[in-house]
Amino acid sequence: DVQLVESGGGLVQPGGSLRLSCAASRFTFSSYAMNWVRQAPGKGLEWVSAISGTGGSTYFADSLKGRFTISRDNSKNTLYLQMNSLRVEDTAIYYCARNSGDSGSGFDYWGQGTLVTVSS
Amino acid sequence: SYDLTQPPSMSVSPGQTASITCSGYKLGEKYVRWYQQKPGQSPALVIFHDTKRPSGIPERFSGSNSGDTATLTISGTQALDEADYYCQAWDSNTVVFGGGTKLTVL
Repeated sequence: DVQLVESGGGLVQPGGSLRLSCAASRFTFSSYAMNWVRQAPGKGLEWVSAISGTGGSTYFADSLKGRFTISRDNSKNTLYLQMNSLRVEDTAIYYCARNSGDSGSGFDYWGQGTLVTVSS
Repeated sequence: SYDLTQPPSMSVSPGQTASITCSGYKLGEKYVRWYQQKPGQSPALVIFHDTKRPSGIPERFSGSNSGDTATLTISGTQALDEADYYCQAWDSNTVVFGGGTKLTVL
């Protein structure tokens, strides 16, 4: 079955940086757009960013533009999220999720998430 | 920015029908997806393309979308359906989630 495994979370001070990774397996990674979605403790889901299968197109939540960068390495079947200038309010579980297909499709597979804690 | 509004919570008795709404401007012109999230778990897709169920999702889950409102309906609700439910749509190349509805089965 499809597998998505996030890593790279941890404790970071405000203003710091962190790079998250999402290792994908058991599907043709380059054929699918991928997403990052986060969830602050006790809160709802918040979409962060998306990237096309080739990596040629990227999309971001308006509130995060300029601080976060999404990328992928299709040769390594890995999705990345570079997070800079981190703020306390960025504390959340970060999930990677596969976009299952066309514009009407949803996120059909999710990783288990990696916790990012921004605190001094 | 585009907003999707859901009731924060609702309750239903076992065996009854739960209808969770999601409201947004001209939402009927967009595709809506629904996700179920149980405590300590990652979200799971239960409805896409407004009305379609992924394989493995029980038939008691159904969806509709018209006008400004999309609805997730759970027929014959079971205790294991107790979870948070989120609607989701795309708008202007961004993904929008509703605030989520906590469904209690009691």
